[in-house]
Amino acid sequence: GAVVSQHPSWVICKSGTSVKIECRSLDFQATTMFWYRQFPKQSLMLMATSNEGSKATYEQGVEKDKFLINHASLTLSTLTVTSAHPEDSSFYICSASEALAGVGNEQFFGPGTRLTVL
Amino acid sequence: AQSVAQPEDQVNVAEGNPLTVKCTYSVSGNPYLFWYVQYPNRGLQFLLKYITGDNLVKGSYGFEAEFNKSQTSFHLKKPSALVSDSALYFCAVRDIGQNFVFGPGTRLSVLP
Repeated sequence: GAVVSQHPSWVICKSGTSVKIECRSLDFQATTMFWYRQFPKQSLMLMATSNEGSKATYEQGVEKDKFLINHASLTLSTLTVTSAHPEDSSFYICSASEALAGVGNEQFFGPGTRLTVL
Repeated sequence: AQSVAQPEDQVNVAEGNPLTVKCTYSVSGNPYLFWYVQYPNRGLQFLLKYITGDNLVKGSYGFEAEFNKSQTSFHLKKPSALVSDSALYFCAVRDIGQNFVFGPGTRLSVLP
């Protein structure tokens, strides 16, 4: 089946540093990848949608200079949290849709990355 | 704009009893509806989806959901709950731009 991995699964960093999270589709080509943020006991909030080879589309209220997204290939997207602060601490989840996916295709989710900024 | 409501924050059910997790939606056009389950510190796992066809959709782990167009509902059901079903359940609707809109989630606790 379609598998999406994320690395790292958890990370602790100091305030002011940058953190990169990788999202990979292991056995399929993902034209579109999505990045979500989830606060404790809350639903997923879509941050941005990235298409391979083009700039990401950010949701309203998400700082694109703060959360840098790169989707360089059909199997890899990265999210870099720049100059992280404690309020950026959260659970970040990526998902991917297969190439040529129609609207009826489900997204396949990664296991998530828990970021803690001290 | 699409929206999804899950009216119950928490559902408690005894093991072996049937369970229902409620979901209602609002969409313009045809609804594409999904259920996902999330275990602690994990990503979301796909359970089932409704695109078209039969209103009763069968999915993973014995779950099923019934699409009711007149009531704009897509409730998740299982005839006999297991303790291992305890998790956070999300209903989602997909818009024409392929973005998902998730409901707030319902925490299911199955008591032994």
